[in-house]
Amino acid sequence: AQKVTQAQTEISVVEKEDVTLDCVYETRDTTYYLFWYKQPPSGELVFLIRRNSFDEQNEISGRYSWNFQKSTSSFNFTITASQVVDSAVYFCALSEAGAGSYQLTFGKGTKLSVIP
Amino acid sequence: NAGVTQTPKFQVLKTGQSMTLQCAQDMNHEYMSWYRQDPGMGLRLIHYSVGAGITDQGEVPNGYNVSRSTTEDFPLRLLSAAPSQTSVYFCASSYVAGGDNEQFFGPGTRLTVL
Repeated sequence: AQKVTQAQTEISVVEKEDVTLDCVYETRDTTYYLFWYKQPPSGELVFLIRRNSFDEQNEISGRYSWNFQKSTSSFNFTITASQVVDSAVYFCALSEAGAGSYQLTFGKGTKLSVIP
Repeated sequence: NAGVTQTPKFQVLKTGQSMTLQCAQDMNHEYMSWYRQDPGMGLRLIHYSVGAGITDQGEVPNGYNVSRSTTEDFPLRLLSAAPSQTSVYFCASSYVAGGDNEQFFGPGTRLTVL
């Protein structure tokens, strides 16, 4: 069965600090997809990134970067020079190619608070 | 495009009442799904549909019914509301069924059952 663990329940950082959100996953499939979503205080879910299991290249998008390591089953998310607008709950999610439901299995989320 | 819309945004029910949460998308997406979000639990899949006329159960289907008569709409019915169904409900859609497809989420419906 697929599982996603976000061990950090809450993190507080001071503005301009870098912060890394951890995500560890479990799956038996060789083909799977990893996602990060942001949920700001307004409540909507905002898609950030999708990664498939065959693409271990790290990705950078502005202040955001993602480190995918199959050897440790991790897909960590780093925010560089954090800003107050980054304050949100961040969810890591996994989807297995072989699962007929195509469901996203979410971690429990990490609440990030960026203090000005 | 309005994307994925959900109504109502907020709802309070009494135990035993029934209601339907509405979800619609205007992106011609084949795949639609319902999740519930509970504090500290992440989101969990309730029901999903891979196309009009086809629905199936997710991880936590008990107490909920769905139907998919059109591509656009995917309503979620609570037959007899219970306090355990107090939650935030999200509807999502993607172009086709497939693990690699980005799922677009609606704004959510916050439901309280007294």
